[in-house]
Amino acid sequence: GQSLEQPSEVTAVEGAIVQINCTYQTSGFYGLSWYQQHDGGAPTFLSYNALDGLEETGRFSSFLSRSDSYGYLLLQELQMKDSASYFCAVRSPGSARQLTFGSGTQLTVLP
Amino acid sequence: KAGVTQTPRYLIKTRGQQVTLSCSPISGHRSVSWYQQTPGQGLQFLFEYFSETQRNKGNFPGRFSGRQFSNSRSEMNVSTLELGDSALYLCASSPRLAGVYNEQFFGPGTRLTVL
Repeated sequence: GQSLEQPSEVTAVEGAIVQINCTYQTSGFYGLSWYQQHDGGAPTFLSYNALDGLEETGRFSSFLSRSDSYGYLLLQELQMKDSASYFCAVRSPGSARQLTFGSGTQLTVLP
Repeated sequence: KAGVTQTPRYLIKTRGQQVTLSCSPISGHRSVSWYQQTPGQGLQFLFEYFSETQRNKGNFPGRFSGRQFSNSRSEMNVSTLELGDSALYLCASSPRLAGVYNEQFFGPGTRLTVL
C-alpha cells in the first residue's frame, strides 16, 4: 500500500519562507501532488512533480527526490491568506492510480 | 466555467437512515471521484466514476455506493448510517480518468452529521 508522512503543524511569520516536507512509501510511484485546503473550503491543486527537481509556480515551489522518496512544498513571502492545511498525495499503482493523501500539515501564518 | 457543485452542503441524519449526496462536475469533465474527510483519517478515497462506470473503489464497506449519469453528474449513497460516517464528503472531477490527469478539481463538500 501507500503511506505518506508530513508534519501535523507548522507556524511561521508573515513574509518568511516555510518548507513542508513529505516522505512517502509506495509500491509504485506516479508522481507527488500538493493540495491546499482552507478551513471549510475545498482542496485546491497546487503542484505536481513526476520527475526529480524543483517546480516553481509563483510564490510556491515543490521539490521531489525519487531516490529519497521525499518531497517538499516551499512557500515564500508568506501571507496571512496562506494559513491553511497542505496535503501531499501520491498515486497508487495499477490502472486506476487513485490518489492517496497524507494527513495534512496545518500552516499558521502569524502577523 | 462553473466549478464543481455538491448538494446538499449540510445534512443531519440519524443512525440507521440512508443518505444520498449529489455532485455536478465541471462541464466537460467525465471523471468524478468521491472522498471522505475526517479529522482522524484525513482524506480517504471512496470511488471513481468515468463514463457511467465505476473504475476504482477504495477500502470502504458495501454500505457506500455510487453511480454516475450520462451527463457525468454523480451521486453517492450511504445506507444504514453509523455515527462514524459523520464526515465531510468531497467530490472531485477531472477531464479524463483521474489517474492520467494530474489535477483534480474539488467541490465544497457535503458535511454529514449522523446523530
